[in-house]
Amino acid sequence: QSALTQPPSASGSPGQSVTISCTGTSSDVGGYNYVSWYQQYPGRAPKLMIYEVSKRPSGVPDRFSGSKSGNTASLTVSGLQAEDEADYYCSSYTGTNNLGVFGGGTKLTVL
Amino acid sequence: EVQLVESGGGLVKPGGSLRLSCAASGFTFSNTGMSWVRQVSGKGLEWVGRIRSTTGGGTTDYAGPLKGRVTISRDDSKNTLNLQMNSLKTEDTAVYYCTTVGGELPWTWGQGTLVTVSS
Repeated sequence: QSALTQPPSASGSPGQSVTISCTGTSSDVGGYNYVSWYQQYPGRAPKLMIYEVSKRPSGVPDRFSGSKSGNTASLTVSGLQAEDEADYYCSSYTGTNNLGVFGGGTKLTVL
Repeated sequence: EVQLVESGGGLVKPGGSLRLSCAASGFTFSNTGMSWVRQVSGKGLEWVGRIRSTTGGGTTDYAGPLKGRVTISRDDSKNTLNLQMNSLKTEDTAVYYCTTVGGELPWTWGQGTLVTVSS
C-alpha cells in the first residue's frame, strides 16, 4: 500500500484537460511544499515534470501544471496529446523518515 | 548534460549481497544529494534511501523496509554513488534507479539496473 493515494487510471481525449490527484496527510503533502510529479513510459526511467508543487523544470511543456490544496496535490495536463499517455507518479517529502513517499501511480490514457 | 549510469545489477541468491554503482557526470557531484529508488516490475516506485551532499554533511537516510540491510555511500573523487545491499530477499527483486536530489526529492534519474533475487 502506497503512502500517497492516486487514482489508478485517468483518461481524456486529445485537446482536453485531465487532472490527477495525489492525497496524503499533514505529515507529507499537507506539511511541505515539496511535491513532485514524474512521467514514466513503459520500460523507461521516470522523468521529473513538476517540482515544489507547481514549478516546471526546463524543457517541460507548460501544458503540465501542478497545485496543492490541504493534503491533496494535483497534476493537470492541458491540451492532451497522444505522447502524454504514460504513468504518472506523485511524491512528497515527509518528515517521518526525512525521505519521501510515492503515490501508487496513475495510468493516463489518451482516447 | 546530467548523466547517471547504474551498474552492478544481476542475479543473486536469497541471503546474498550485491553492490550497485552509479557513475555521475555533467554536474558538481560533491554539491548534490543523491538517492536510490527501486521499482518492482509492473509496480510503483519505492524509496531505498538517500545521501546528502558532502557539503551538506553527507548524512544518510533509509526507508523502513530496507533499513539495516543497505548502505549508501559516495566517492566524490570518482563521482560515484554506491548501494551495498545485504541479506537480500526475493522481494528485493526490482529495477534500482540512481537519482540526483533536488527540492528534497528525486530530480534526474539514471536508466536503472535490474536486481533479481532468486535461488
